[in-house]
Amino acid sequence: QVQLVESGGGVVQPGRSLRLSCTASGFTFSNYAMDWVRQAPGEGLEWVAVMSYDGSTKYYGDSVKGRFTISRDNSKNTLYLQLNGLTAEDTAVYYCARACSTNCYIDYWGQGTLVTVSS
Amino acid sequence: QSVLTQPPSVSAAPGQKVTISCSGSTSNIESNYVSWYQQLPGTAPKLLIYDNNKRPSGIPDRFSGSKSGTSATLGITGLQTGDEADYYCGTWDSSLSAVVFGGGTKLTVL
Repeated sequence: QVQLVESGGGVVQPGRSLRLSCTASGFTFSNYAMDWVRQAPGEGLEWVAVMSYDGSTKYYGDSVKGRFTISRDNSKNTLYLQLNGLTAEDTAVYYCARACSTNCYIDYWGQGTLVTVSS
Repeated sequence: QSVLTQPPSVSAAPGQKVTISCSGSTSNIESNYVSWYQQLPGTAPKLLIYDNNKRPSGIPDRFSGSKSGTSATLGITGLQTGDEADYYCGTWDSSLSAVVFGGGTKLTVL
């Protein structure tokens, strides 16, 4: 069965950095695009970024462009999100998610990892 | 402010039917497939409808999707208390080169 397990969340001070990881299993990771989606406490879903199956294409949401970087290691079945220049507005649960392509629906979601930006 | 517009809440009695609308524009809903997600309290979202009106395996036919022009609709019949959740529409926006979601609709089954 498809499993996506996020890690790396925690409490971080404003302006600092954090790297999230998502380990995939139960499917051929290198065949799928992967997304990061976040959800601030009590708020709706906000798409963060997507990377194509081979890493050649990536897109970002406007609120994170220039600060966050999505990457993947297909040999390790792992997706990453590097978060730089964090602000309180970045506080959210970050979900890793699988998609059929960069512009396609998300069919599986991880359970999420909480990032709290606070001094 | 979300690119896609959904009503904040809807409600109906058990056994009844409800529809949730999702309004967008020519660069997103009209040009691309729409998907719908269910988020039960305290859990991750789950795919409910993809490609406007297709159901993944395991999703009961009480759930349906449709699209017309720049709007999409999720329908749920035979409402159950277990359907109480937040529902989100999503699609690709060709102008933004981004995935866009609606703000979410909270369904209450009275």
